[in-house]
Amino acid sequence: NAGVTQTPKFRILKIGQSMTLQCTQDMNHNYMYWYRQDPGMGLKLIYYSVGAGITDKGEVPNGYNVSRSTTEDFPLRLELAAPSQTSVYFCASIGGGTFYGYTFGSGTRLTVV
Amino acid sequence: RKEVEQDPGPFNVPEGATVAFNCTYSNSASQSFFWYRQDCRKEPKLLMSVYSSGNEDGRFTAQLNRASQYISLLIRDSKLSDSATYLCVVPLGNQFYFGTGTSLTVIP
Repeated sequence: NAGVTQTPKFRILKIGQSMTLQCTQDMNHNYMYWYRQDPGMGLKLIYYSVGAGITDKGEVPNGYNVSRSTTEDFPLRLELAAPSQTSVYFCASIGGGTFYGYTFGSGTRLTVV
Repeated sequence: RKEVEQDPGPFNVPEGATVAFNCTYSNSASQSFFWYRQDCRKEPKLLMSVYSSGNEDGRFTAQLNRASQYISLLIRDSKLSDSATYLCVVPLGNQFYFGTGTSLTVIP
């Protein structure tokens, strides 16, 4: 049972490039979330999904897109990378609503230069 | 007003000390509460859940005060390995709101 798996672990992008951060969970969780964490700061919600085909914006969605075609996968897309998107990105999931705590992936450390 | 507020610290305590962190939340509708631990450059990991007045797990005690809308985390007999950032998390609706974290360093 792998839990929440994020790939890649590290990535350096040039300004204007695009990339997709992958997130997969094998716990059959309905709820999935993408957060970013800047150095010394708290986690900020980018997008979340309460089930396949359903996504919603969080606090900081600009510059990102998501899709949820299956229960297992919740990829995050950066279309035109900017230095302000340099951050650590965490994917998380929960099974039955917000009564239970998250399971987090190990994170993707992204640098935009 | 922020949904969740924590004292950022840092807290520097000697080994064996007792330390407590507080966290206040703004929405009285929240029903469950969580403390997460985050080590440097790692993902947050669930430490404790609080659904009623409190919860205890070994050296860790979490308490909830609904009237004053705060939760606390008490760590007894601090170990060097307790050094980390402790995040208070409050769900509301389909979202979780994170505090900015309280930094703890346990000193030999």
